[in-house]
Amino acid sequence: AQSVTQLDSQVPVFEEAPVELRCNYSSSVSVYLFWYVQYPNQGLQLLLKYLSGSTLVKGINGFEAEFNKSQTSFHLRKPSVHISDTAEYFCAVSSASGGSYIPTFGRGTSLIVHP
Amino acid sequence: EPEVTQTPSHQVTQMGQEVILRCVPISNHLYFYWYRQILGQKVEFLVSFYNNEISEKSEIFDDQFSVERPDGSNFTLKIRSTKLEDSAMYFCASSASGTRARDGEQFFGPGTRLTVL
Repeated sequence: AQSVTQLDSQVPVFEEAPVELRCNYSSSVSVYLFWYVQYPNQGLQLLLKYLSGSTLVKGINGFEAEFNKSQTSFHLRKPSVHISDTAEYFCAVSSASGGSYIPTFGRGTSLIVHP
Repeated sequence: EPEVTQTPSHQVTQMGQEVILRCVPISNHLYFYWYRQILGQKVEFLVSFYNNEISEKSEIFDDQFSVERPDGSNFTLKIRSTKLEDSAMYFCASSASGTRARDGEQFFGPGTRLTVL
């Protein structure tokens, strides 16, 4: 079984400050990791994903995440946030368990960017 | 840019009533999914659908739930007799390739908020 923990339900930050949204996972098999963003009144949009290769993954809107196998983490970072980054962010993990890659989601972290 | 759409955005119903949530997946996609998110909790997988049949379902997807592709564009989730605990946000998603392809990216709709009174 796999699981995802997003420890921070809400992260307030000032505009142009750096931000890190934390994600830890547990799985007994190889994993694939994702970050989704949900803007108000919109669906989940894929920000970035780690499937294999380089552990530093770059995504859209200036976000990046680093896969750390020893710490079972996949934290999302952005060096300078904008007001428009205010949204809900979901970490998800999928694995080859049983041949299906259905993702397991975390509870989400609400990023609130203040002017 | 093609997108997944869902209607209605908000549905209020009485306990015991049937509800149908509607989704229009991206037109060339073949795989369809429903997820739900109870307020403050995780997004949970309900069911996946391909070639007019269910390919995978979770423990949540019991006999009260059913899915259908009634025509070439719509994908519906029916809850036969709603319970208070069915109150949640329901997300539809579609993908070009299925869940057995590790990078089969799923595209999500904006969700339908179901409130059962």
